[in-house]
Amino acid sequence: NAGVTQTPKFQVLKTGQSMTLQCAQDMNHEYMSWYRQDPGMGLRLIHYSVGAGITDQGEVPNGYNVSRSTTEDFPLRLLSAAPSQTSVYFCASSYRRDSGREQFFGPGTRLTVL
Amino acid sequence: GNSVTQMEGPVTLSEEAFLTINCTYTATGYPSLFWYVQYPGEGLQLLLKATKADDKGSNKGFEATYRKETTSFHLEKGSVQVSDSAVYFCALSGEKGGSEKLVFGKGTKLTVNP
Repeated sequence: NAGVTQTPKFQVLKTGQSMTLQCAQDMNHEYMSWYRQDPGMGLRLIHYSVGAGITDQGEVPNGYNVSRSTTEDFPLRLLSAAPSQTSVYFCASSYRRDSGREQFFGPGTRLTVL
Repeated sequence: GNSVTQMEGPVTLSEEAFLTINCTYTATGYPSLFWYVQYPGEGLQLLLKATKADDKGSNKGFEATYRKETTSFHLEKGSVQVSDSAVYFCALSGEKGGSEKLVFGKGTKLTVNP
């Protein structure tokens, strides 16, 4: 199994551009999440999904959209990039709605918005 | 809402020194508690977890005990190695929030010198 994969690894955008960060998992996990990691802030939840067709907002959803058309994929869309979205983005998945289950993380996408 | 407060670093130790990283939490009910580790340039991976009060999680020589009376989950290791150099995150998933919604502390960077 490849686990959780993310593409691209690095990306530079100009202010106002849009892009999609890809995330896929091959573990048949029902639950998937997107976090951003900023220095001194830890990880903060952007959006999450508990199954295909079901998404919800996390702590910092503004400026981001998500969709979940399949169990495997959970893309994150930046509609109009802003310098404040410069961050490292992590996708994670977990098996089911059990608070004791660990989340499996992808390797991250480092995004810079100029 | 739920929150996690952990000792901020950076922490610098010599090889074979004793490590403690403090973590306290605020949550309703009985959350599950986790320690994740992030090695340079990588995503997060689960180090250990505890799902109920007085449980002790352990892995790779690291230990943490779920203390409900003090709302704490301190990470300890008796003898650190250079290979333990990483960023450590304390996290919780709430009783009502599932594994798709972790709340993280800000992270503690550990550097172990030979």
